[in-house]
Amino acid sequence: DVKVTQSSRYLVKRTGEKVFLECVQDMDHENMFWYRQDPGLGLRLIYFSYDVKMKEKGDIPEGYSVSREKKERFSLILESASTNQTSMYLCASSPGLAGVEYNEQFFGPGTRLTVL
Amino acid sequence: AQKITQTQPGMFVQEKEAVTLDCTYDTSDQSYGLFWYKQPSSGEMIFLIYQGSYDEQNATEGRYSLNFQKARKSANLVISASQLGDSAMYFCAIHNFNKYYFGSGTKLNVKP
Repeated sequence: DVKVTQSSRYLVKRTGEKVFLECVQDMDHENMFWYRQDPGLGLRLIYFSYDVKMKEKGDIPEGYSVSREKKERFSLILESASTNQTSMYLCASSPGLAGVEYNEQFFGPGTRLTVL
Repeated sequence: AQKITQTQPGMFVQEKEAVTLDCTYDTSDQSYGLFWYKQPSSGEMIFLIYQGSYDEQNATEGRYSLNFQKARKSANLVISASQLGDSAMYFCAIHNFNKYYFGSGTKLNVKP
């Protein structure tokens, strides 16, 4: 079974704090993703990584950075948390099959972050 | 750029009836994949069904089927014989070249 795990299910932080969200997958997938989910907006891609130390901005990268030092781990960093970053954060992974139509994403359980 | 549109923010269906959740997409790519995911209140994303752009037959997985109309760029999800456990958010997504784009979702409520 593919497993994608996230470090916390619920997190409460204060404005201005540096926040780390960790994601680990155990299927040797090349691709890893961070999404943000808000009501009425669906899932929006924050960052995407297709290899160790490689990253690509998604649709809403502002206020976020990422780190991928090992293939199985992809971290999302909020350098200075703000209240508008209160959201559900979903991590996902998929095999690196560029150009192949069928390439299922596997999701972690999500982290619900509240910034006070 | 890819885009997914789900025009039904919320829907109700009577238990044991069939329901169709709409999804239209916009892409200039010739090759792409379409996915449907279910998200219960617990938050996990559950893969339901997949349709490739070159597949001539509509995909089916148990009670789920995908009504794929390529010329109209639509990929509607049909759930037959709805169950109470089908109450959840449903997301349509398009995939190509390792990137995925999701719609805003449809919240389905199944009434007993």
